[in-house]
Amino acid sequence: AQSVTQPDIHITVSEGASLELRCNYSYGATPYLFWYVQSPGQGLQLLLKYFSGDTLVQGIKGFEAEFKRSQSSFNLRKPSVHWSDAAEYFCAVGAEASGTYKYIFGTGTRLKVLA
Amino acid sequence: EAGVAQSPRYKIIEKRQSVAFWCNPISGHATLYWYQQILGQGPKLLIQFQNNGVVDDSQLPKDRFSAERLKGVDSTLKIQPAKLEDSAVYLCASSPRTGATQYFGPGTRLTVL
Repeated sequence: AQSVTQPDIHITVSEGASLELRCNYSYGATPYLFWYVQSPGQGLQLLLKYFSGDTLVQGIKGFEAEFKRSQSSFNLRKPSVHWSDAAEYFCAVGAEASGTYKYIFGTGTRLKVLA
Repeated sequence: EAGVAQSPRYKIIEKRQSVAFWCNPISGHATLYWYQQILGQGPKLLIQFQNNGVVDDSQLPKDRFSAERLKGVDSTLKIQPAKLEDSAVYLCASSPRTGATQYFGPGTRLTVL
């Protein structure tokens, strides 16, 4: 069965510093990969997605992610964090199973940004 | 383009009471999802509809939860009777078709006392 692991529950960075959030997945083939952001009291907003092709994906708000097949990873990066990036980030996997696509979310990484 | 709408945004009930949530997906989206997000966890899929048919309800506690999507547009999720462990945010999402990007609504925060 597919699974998604986000090993860091909390991450704290200073404003202006670089950021990398880790995501590892388990699935036999290459799944669809997503990163979502959730601000308090809000739904999930899509940051970026990988379906196929170029393994470096650009998203909104200056975020990017790189798919590494050999490591089963899809880490999210941002070169310079802004205070408004403080939120919870979820990695998700979409994979075909029983004729449909099943989506599984990681447990999330809560980002705190220090001024 | 209007996003996914959900109501109510907040609901507080006592255990053993019933509650219903409503979702209006993005116009034209064939696939609709209901997720349960318990505090500190990622969203967990409860049920997936393709038009008005159920595609996946393997994680829906069918003894107390039910959902319908009449006419393939709006959907309601019902809990009867509620338990304390049902306290969570219930998220609705829609996508143009299965396998496509999901777009989420703001969620309904349910507190069961």
